[in-house]
Amino acid sequence: GESVGLHLPTLSVQEGDNSIINCAYSNSASDYFIWYKQESGKGPQFIIDIRSNMDKRQGQRVTVLLNKTVKHLSLQIAATQPGDSAVYFCAENTGTGGFKTIFGAGTRLFVKA
Amino acid sequence: SQTIHQWPATLVQPVGSPLSLECTVEGTSNPNLYWYRQAAGRGLQLLFYSVGIGQISSEVPQNLSASRPQDRQFILSSKKLLLSDSGFYLCAWSVGRLGKSHYEQYFGPGTRLTVT
Repeated sequence: GESVGLHLPTLSVQEGDNSIINCAYSNSASDYFIWYKQESGKGPQFIIDIRSNMDKRQGQRVTVLLNKTVKHLSLQIAATQPGDSAVYFCAENTGTGGFKTIFGAGTRLFVKA
Repeated sequence: SQTIHQWPATLVQPVGSPLSLECTVEGTSNPNLYWYRQAAGRGLQLLFYSVGIGQISSEVPQNLSASRPQDRQFILSSKKLLLSDSGFYLCAWSVGRLGKSHYEQYFGPGTRLTVT
């Protein structure tokens, strides 16, 4: 079946640098995408979302970019901090209600002090 | 504010024993409720979702079942656990808002189940 996948399973960055986490999706009908952050032993937390009619959306220190042409999604974290160390999941859903959210495998981000 | 509770936090059960995990949500009405399973170092697999009391949709065939006896209560059960049922079980909720057709989900703290 179609699913969301991630290019890099792990990412290590220096504190203060910018981080970019990538995600590829295969379902062209997906119209809503979400990034979640999961810290060790905890449930995922919503970070930011983007609709398919947008190319870019910015939050606090985070930016999500959507390239529908190549079905690619990325999460940019500015001035990465040790507290950003976690596993990041991209997720997609289609149709109304968001009932069938498909999660990618996740990327583990390590921030070196 | 809304909160979501799961218990127990950790559980060790022998193969063939029954299972009951509970999830409750506070501070919202008519939430959509979800059960996910997460294997170690892996992504989340949607097991069940519910849009209302007594309404359960199953996403994957398995020896697990779910029930929603009350609006804000979601229970995951099994009559006989398998080794492959080990994992991190997450409950989540979402709710629609006027003008918004897609909803982010809010996750509970999870239950780590080890079947021995």
